[in-house]
Amino acid sequence: GQQVMQIPQYQHVQEGEDFTTYCNSSTTLSNIQWYKQRPGGHPVFLIQLVKSGEVKKQKRLTFQFGEAKKNSSLHITATQTTDVGTYFCAGPSNQAGTALIFGKGTTLSVSS
Amino acid sequence: NAGVTQTPKFRILKIGQSMTLQCAQDMNHNYMYWYRQDPGMGLKLIYYSVGAGITDKGEVPNGYNVSRSTTEDFPLRLELAAPSQTSVYFCASSYNRDRVVDTQYFGPGTRLTVL
Repeated sequence: GQQVMQIPQYQHVQEGEDFTTYCNSSTTLSNIQWYKQRPGGHPVFLIQLVKSGEVKKQKRLTFQFGEAKKNSSLHITATQTTDVGTYFCAGPSNQAGTALIFGKGTTLSVSS
Repeated sequence: NAGVTQTPKFRILKIGQSMTLQCAQDMNHNYMYWYRQDPGMGLKLIYYSVGAGITDKGEVPNGYNVSRSTTEDFPLRLELAAPSQTSVYFCASSYNRDRVVDTQYFGPGTRLTVL
């Protein structure tokens, strides 16, 4: 069945270091969304990418959508303690209408 | 706007008990979803609804039931609770036009333990 995979599962960095998480889909996606979940919190929408090769930036966060629309990445420059949390990518489900299928997430921890 | 609200926040059930997790949204969203989140396993779709009176199964529907009598409310019913249903449950909503996937807004979650 359709799968969305993320690596790494966990990443620990020192404050100020960069961080990247990668997302790969078993199928071509019409779009991809990224969410952040703080510890004990709920997922919060970050961004949606739609076009092949699209790159979007939000301050220190850079999001890319692959040319084949099957992979994506999130890069954080100079991490801060406020970046701690789990980052999920999600793409439209082939089976459930406009529902999303989520990757398992990458949990980022940052030490100062 | 309160966004998406869920009650209760925490609940402990005994095996075989039943309960209803409440979810409401005040954003006039047409689509609503129920997910469960187990540690390290991401979010799995239980049921979803594209509008009042219309519901459909997601990836892991067994042991659950839903109804959508109004646009605002989307309760999740657990019948005969089992330890495997111990999880965090998130309700979400979105406004989708022409079947285009749009941003999902999540509630704060219900942490359920079945003993």
